[in-house]
Amino acid sequence: DAKTTQPPSMDCAEGRAANLPCNHSTISGNEYVYWYRQIHSQGPQYIIHGLKNNETNEMASLIITEDRKSSTLILPHATLRDTAVYYCIVRAYNQGGKLIFGQGTELSVKP
Amino acid sequence: DTAVSQTPKYLVTQMGNDKSIKCEQNLGHDTMYWYKQDSKKFLKIMFSYNNKELIINETVPNRFSPKSPDKAHLNLHINSLELGDSAVYFCASSQVAGSGTGELFFGEGSRLTVL
Repeated sequence: DAKTTQPPSMDCAEGRAANLPCNHSTISGNEYVYWYRQIHSQGPQYIIHGLKNNETNEMASLIITEDRKSSTLILPHATLRDTAVYYCIVRAYNQGGKLIFGQGTELSVKP
Repeated sequence: DTAVSQTPKYLVTQMGNDKSIKCEQNLGHDTMYWYKQDSKKFLKIMFSYNNKELIINETVPNRFSPKSPDKAHLNLHINSLELGDSAVYFCASSQVAGSGTGELFFGEGSRLTVL
């Protein structure tokens, strides 16, 4: 079973920031938070990951609370192409590629 | 060039048939995976190979047999297909199996429909 809880769906206006929350209250000290997304009919795409510090890359920012029980993925200027299902996953660093996907959040970016 | 490529993209077949899905990655990764996405859109890992060695084998019927001729290829053979095997099968690869960033690169998927 997935160890994360996400809202099933969210809407965002094009050009605005999309803030996708994730709860992972049972996260262990050696587990990282990963975000992937799946655009319709495509394979999942890695976005970002972090342990406890906030992270930023060319796609998104990841904000992890100090107690690490929740996190937020931020797409700073959402576009229509960001419409996808976003998955928040926790995984220990040495668990290899066994990603346990939950239901994710279906983000709809609207014009 | 596509990093992780799967063939065929679509496969429609009858119950009881045997079929294969092929996967190739040109990223130089050591580890490859098969994931299954069912009609409810849940993605679950099936198998993982590291340098041609099976390292993850989830509870999958033994009608499913992965084969890795080399570390760039991982094929999935399915015997005696059943209706419940209808799904999208995703191949993926990553640089290191037991550690690393956890970044997996997925293919575009192979949609299998069993009639």
